[in-house]
Amino acid sequence: GAVVSQHPSWVICKSGTSVKIECRSLDFQATTMFWYRQFPKQSLMLMATSNEGSKATYEQGVEKDKFLINHASLTLSTLTVTSAHPEDSSFYICSAYFYRERGGSYNSPLHFGNGTRLTVT
Amino acid sequence: AQKITQTQPGMFVQEKEAVTLDCTYDTSDPSYGLFWYKQPSSGEMIFLIYQGSYDQQNATEGRYSLNFQKARKSANLVISASQLGDSAMYFCAMREGGYTGGFKTIFGAGTRLFVKA
Repeated sequence: GAVVSQHPSWVICKSGTSVKIECRSLDFQATTMFWYRQFPKQSLMLMATSNEGSKATYEQGVEKDKFLINHASLTLSTLTVTSAHPEDSSFYICSAYFYRERGGSYNSPLHFGNGTRLTVT
Repeated sequence: AQKITQTQPGMFVQEKEAVTLDCTYDTSDPSYGLFWYKQPSSGEMIFLIYQGSYDQQNATEGRYSLNFQKARKSANLVISASQLGDSAMYFCAMREGGYTGGFKTIFGAGTRLFVKA
């Protein structure tokens, strides 16, 4: 249970174009989803917290106008990288936790999508 | 603010031996959860084991166990009987229970484990 699906797995786009990444919780409802970014051989850096029906909360230093997040339903969050540039090339990975798993707010593990490898040429 | 530290960039272990991956954390919240994840070269994040701040016993999941020393704020992962398939990146993570933390999960820098045949 608690499966998160992310699409696409990889995408190559030209500089200046926009790319949309989808993240779906397949067998549970996720009022909150989290978007992370990972550079090669580095850790996962939280970009933003996606809240169903409300605005996303961005971490310090993350441009909200460049990384648009929409959480329109309890099972879908999208990340759009607008006007992508080569420095936006990275591995983006979404996650969510099923709060009833282990029964609390801090003890439910995050379940991750398989990630999207974005290359901007 | 919560913080996770993994000081071992890389570790080598012989197949079938045990290995300990270190993790220390810092938080002022009495309620928190500690997690370990495995990331193979394919990139997916695999949840391994969880330890809650109020848990009295160390968590175990198959070949994985968590050596939780609350006073020292450490949560080391022990992998017993290492297998070649254990070669991967391992991340320690934490989430605070209080709302001020936003229920965010933060990750350490990771430790790359190499299992030798």
